[in-house]
Amino acid sequence: GENVEQHPSTLSVQEGDSAVIKCTYSDSASNYFPWYKQELGKRPQLIIDIRSNVGEKKDQRIAVTLNKTAKHFSLHITETQPEDSAVYFCAASDSNYQLIWGAGTKLIIKP
Amino acid sequence: NAGVTQTPKFQVLKTGQSMTLQCAQDMNHNSMYWYRQDPGMGLRLIYYSASEGTTDKGEVPNGYNVSRLNKREFSLRLESAAPSQTSVYFCASSRGGLNTEAFFGQGTRLTVV
Repeated sequence: GENVEQHPSTLSVQEGDSAVIKCTYSDSASNYFPWYKQELGKRPQLIIDIRSNVGEKKDQRIAVTLNKTAKHFSLHITETQPEDSAVYFCAASDSNYQLIWGAGTKLIIKP
Repeated sequence: NAGVTQTPKFQVLKTGQSMTLQCAQDMNHNSMYWYRQDPGMGLRLIYYSASEGTTDKGEVPNGYNVSRLNKREFSLRLESAAPSQTSVYFCASSRGGLNTEAFFGQGTRLTVV
């Protein structure tokens, strides 16, 4: 079945710098790759997603890239702000359209 | 439009006690899910219901049962709670199929002593 690995587990960046979180997946049939943000004590919420027929997608300061050949996808956050501090999860859909989740990355924005 | 609502928010159980976590969604979604979240382990799927009338095991189903009562409601039952089931539980729903964006409830923090 699908397996998703996420790195790093913790990422600390200076406010205003960029942050990159990477995920790899194992099932070449996976076709949907969302990223969720979970603030402390709150529920996960979708921030951006990408489908396998697209290589890159942007939404303001957030972008996701997908490399189907290498089976990895990445979240890029530019001009980081204190409100970006959270845990970020990647996921990939398996053959049953169920999401398999990475273990999460705690992003810390230093003032 | 409340989205996904789950109850209770907090619960403490003694080992061996039973309880049911309730979840309801008002988005007319086909699919519903129960996840548990443990530190450093992300979200692990316990059970899911792809559509009304069906339920399937996820990654970690042992010790749990579910009921898809109708299209809106999906409950999770712990028959005999164990300390290993101490976790934060999230219910989620999605339209299902290729549209798999998941909308989450606010979570239930369960402690089994």
